[in-house]
Amino acid sequence: GQQLNQSPQSMFIQEGEDVSMNCTSSSIFNTWLWYKQDPGEGPVLLIALYKAGELTSNGRLTAQFGITRKDSFLNISASIPSDVGIYFCAGLPMDSNYQLIWGAGTKLIIKP
Amino acid sequence: DAMVIQNPRYQVTQFGKPVTLSCSQTLNHNVMYWYQQKSSQAPKLLFHYYDKDFNNEADTPDNFQSRRPNTSFCFLDIRSPGLGDAAMYLCATSGGTSGPNTEAFFGQGTRLTVV
Repeated sequence: GQQLNQSPQSMFIQEGEDVSMNCTSSSIFNTWLWYKQDPGEGPVLLIALYKAGELTSNGRLTAQFGITRKDSFLNISASIPSDVGIYFCAGLPMDSNYQLIWGAGTKLIIKP
Repeated sequence: DAMVIQNPRYQVTQFGKPVTLSCSQTLNHNVMYWYQQKSSQAPKLLFHYYDKDFNNEADTPDNFQSRRPNTSFCFLDIRSPGLGDAAMYLCATSGGTSGPNTEAFFGQGTRLTVV
């Protein structure tokens, strides 16, 4: 089946640092979504992208829909302790209108 | 204002004893999903309803069933829970006038423990 490659798998960062993570696919996607999940909670939608090249911000978060429609990245600027969690990318392939394909997640950990 | 509500948040059930998890939504979305998520893995889709049409994923075990009596409510029934069914179960919704909108909104999840 289709897969998304999400990297890095985990990140150890200092508070205040910028963070970048990305997802790539071997096929074209119509939609890219970025979610954050805290322990014991459901995923929360951060940013939704619908057009190739689209760049969208949500506070300190910025995400882009790659021009080839096969990738997306998420940047977090000036990280703070509450940014800790797991970030998932999810995409909608061209041949589907309901089933999201998920990345494996990026675990963000802030160094004490 | 909670939009997708799952009950209970934590459920402990005995091995082999049927259990039902519930989900309700105030978004009036026409699509409702059930996902299973294990230890920091990505959510795995079990099935979804588009309005009243039930769509089962090919690899979802028969042990898992679902009911959607109306737009607002959807239930996940596990007929004979095994130890391997211990997981977080996530309900999500999406909506749209011309077809499923891809932005899925999740509930807080139900953590199922099988003893």
